[in-house]
Order: sequence, then structure tokens, then C-alpha cells
Amino acid sequence: DAGVTQSPTHLIKTRGQQVTLRCSPKSGHDTVSWYQQALGQGPQFIFQYYEEEERQRGNFPDRFSGHQFPNYSSELNVNALLLGDSALYLCASSLWQAGNTIYFGEGSWLTVV
Amino acid sequence: ELKVEQNPLFLSMQEGKNYTIYCNYSTTSDRLYWYRQDPGKSLESLFVLLSNGAVKQEGRLMASLDTKARLSTLHITAAVHDLSATYFCAGSQGAQKLVFGQGTRLTINP
Repeated sequence: DAGVTQSPTHLIKTRGQQVTLRCSPKSGHDTVSWYQQALGQGPQFIFQYYEEEERQRGNFPDRFSGHQFPNYSSELNVNALLLGDSALYLCASSLWQAGNTIYFGEGSWLTVV
Repeated sequence: ELKVEQNPLFLSMQEGKNYTIYCNYSTTSDRLYWYRQDPGKSLESLFVLLSNGAVKQEGRLMASLDTKARLSTLHITAAVHDLSATYFCAGSQGAQKLVFGQGTRLTINP
């Protein structure tokens, strides 16, 4: 049973560029949430997708956008990258109707230079 | 708006000792989660606490929830080096949106 998978694992981008991160949820899960974790901090909720719609959003600017596909996988897009966007981006997977346990992927380390 | 605070933020302890990490939250939370994170790694789910008085145990770790006091605790019994990690608690408000505490960096020395 595959867990939550994310790609790429590490990437380096230049200020002003755009990045796309990808996530496949755990088998059987239908809900994907994205979190940003800066070094030494707790994860911060970015947004959540269910049934291909954004259901909840945290306090992040419109530069952060996402998408969920019919197979429940998801993408996180960040435009006009800033140095402060450097962080670990975590994808979380759960069941919408019975989300007792929320599983996290290994994350994508983004460095903006 | 839900806020979650953990203390202590840093904890250095000797093997074999017992200690407790505290997690306070500001308003009603649907559930209370505990996660472990090793350096450079993702979050490993430890416990999900659903109701007042809930207690869960796994090995040397035990978590409890007091919804009236808005407090959860993670108790470590007879610590071993392998438990060194950062521990996060998180509350949730509606549809699994997690609000994390700052984390407690635990170091267990021989």
C-alpha cells in the first residue's frame, strides 16, 4: 500500500520563477492538503482539496495556487517566488468523511536563491 | 481562530527519565494530533485524540486529552535515545485543517 508520495524531493529556483510540486495521496484517500514548513517552525496550512475543489485556505497569498485531479492527486503552484518561500512543502492525505488519521508525505524541499 | 502552544520548546533529558510535553490550545478543536519529526524528514503520526479524557499509549509514549482545560499532554516514560526528535501537537478546526504548535525539540542523552 503506497503511502503519500511527493515530487520532486529537492529543487532550487531563482527569485521570480514559478514552481510546481506534485502529490499522490495514500491509496483510498480523497482529500489532499498542503502545508509549508519553514526551518525550525511548525507546518502552516496552505489549502485543502476535495472533489477537485479548494475547500479551505490558510493565510497565503494568491501566488499560491493548486489543483486536484480526478485521480485525487494534487499540484501546488507558486508564482513569482520570493526568498521567503524557501521551505519544506508537505502534502497531507486523508479521507474527507472519516479523517481521523492524516498522513504526510516526505515533502519537497524548495530553496529560492 | 485556533492557536496551539507547546512547552517546553526545547527539552534535554537523560535516558531512563520520565517527562511530559504540554500542548495548550485556545479554542474548541475537533481533534488533537501528535506527530514526530526526525531531522530532515516528514511527520510521522503518533496519536489522534478524539474526545475528552482520551488516553492512548504506544510503547514509551502516552498521550491524553482534557478538552475542558484545552490541554493535551505527551508523556515519555523511561526515555531512550531513539525517542530524540521534534514532537508537534496540532488541533483541527473543521475538515481536517491542522493548526500546529511550535514543536518541542527533544534530545535524550545517554
